[in-house]
Amino acid sequence: AQKITQTQPGMFVQEKEAVTLDCTYDTSDQSYGLFWYKQPSSGEMIFLIYQGSYDEQNATEGRYSLNFQKARKSANLVISASQLGDSAMYFCAMRDRTPGNQFYFGTGTSLTVIP
Amino acid sequence: DAGVIQSPRHEVTEMGQEVTLRCKPISGHDYLFWYRQTMMRGLELLIYFNNNVPIDDSGMPEDRFSAKMPNASFSTLKIQPSEPRDSAVYFCASSLFTAYNEQFFGPGTRLTVL
Repeated sequence: AQKITQTQPGMFVQEKEAVTLDCTYDTSDQSYGLFWYKQPSSGEMIFLIYQGSYDEQNATEGRYSLNFQKARKSANLVISASQLGDSAMYFCAMRDRTPGNQFYFGTGTSLTVIP
Repeated sequence: DAGVIQSPRHEVTEMGQEVTLRCKPISGHDYLFWYRQTMMRGLELLIYFNNNVPIDDSGMPEDRFSAKMPNASFSTLKIQPSEPRDSAVYFCASSLFTAYNEQFFGPGTRLTVL
């Protein structure tokens, strides 16, 4: 089974609007971390935001927030007030303790912000 | 800290040649990961190390690929002989130990095998 599933290959959003990128995960571990990365067309992988499995509050970092629903095993990224510079590929990732603390990445969602 | 350092940033070589990619992780990080990214296959984990010891190399595509981590501050990924289908961006990333620590990626090496 896929550890991380991103079901939206591509998304479009109007500038200044909010957008939600979906991510579901699969783990039997109780301790895990959820991460989102941004990859612009220049190619670098940029860490955006993190949520721990025991965190009760949703993580926020500026315009990014992580909508964490533990029972549904979802960790959606919400970008508020989209900007043209948000156009990029977005990857959801999970790290648990099995089998050896490795990271699991989704296939990514390509976000295009329309002016 | 300078972040994860990879060299070279770009490599163009001919089929059959040996290619060596280098990575310097962030000081103090005890995990190091090598990934390959292509349009067709996305981001693939090739191998990762914990405290310089390879933990899982099941992602290494074939025997032509090998990786070493002789010390905590240096790792190499070698392809010998290289083939055109090895053309990709190769990322190195490092992290601290726990499940709550993010990975920090290097800028990547864009490899083109002609």
